[in-house]
Amino acid sequence: GAVVSQHPSWVICKSGTSVKIECRSLDFQATTMFWYRQFPKQSLMLMATSNEGSKATYEQGVEKDKFLINHASLTLSTLTVTSAHPEDSSFYICSETTGNTEAFFGQGTRLTVV
Amino acid sequence: QKEVEQDPGPLSVPEGAIVSLNCTYSNSAFQYFMWYRQYSRKGPELLMYTYSSGNKEDGRFTAQVDKSSKYISLFIRDSQPSDSATYLCAMIEGGSYIPTFGRGTSLIVHP
Repeated sequence: GAVVSQHPSWVICKSGTSVKIECRSLDFQATTMFWYRQFPKQSLMLMATSNEGSKATYEQGVEKDKFLINHASLTLSTLTVTSAHPEDSSFYICSETTGNTEAFFGQGTRLTVV
Repeated sequence: QKEVEQDPGPLSVPEGAIVSLNCTYSNSAFQYFMWYRQYSRKGPELLMYTYSSGNKEDGRFTAQVDKSSKYISLFIRDSQPSDSATYLCAMIEGGSYIPTFGRGTSLIVHP
């Protein structure tokens, strides 16, 4: 099956700094990447959908200037949390699909903003 | 009403029990159904994927879809403590590629 590599798995940063999370497709070239946020004991909340070479589509209520998504190549998508604040602390997960409907997830990144 | 309903649990069972996890949905356009397992602080792992009504078996796991009742199930036979995790159901409309997730059921298998 497809393999998605996400890193870092855990990051602690100071309030006001920016953090970049990377997701890399190892087995195939993902057409679409999804970025999710997950709070403890809650389901996945879709933040945005990105396609290679085009601007990401953000879900309602997600600040696109705060959560910058870049999908410059078929194998790499990045999420940058800009000017992070403690309320941005969460578990962020990427997911890729080839368009055949199955979605494969990265390992997740636990972000703690202090 | 959410499109996908899933009891968050926790569901606690003894080792060796048969586990039944369920989701109901309201959107008749859903055609693809998936079950994911998520361990604490890890990304979800795809367990089962199906697109038709009926049963699909893979080892100790059986996925069941009843489109007429808008109800899907995941059965785990001979449950093990290592099966303790959160199980998420997910569904996709035909022609779409964006899944809708249930909130997940926390399963605890105790020795």
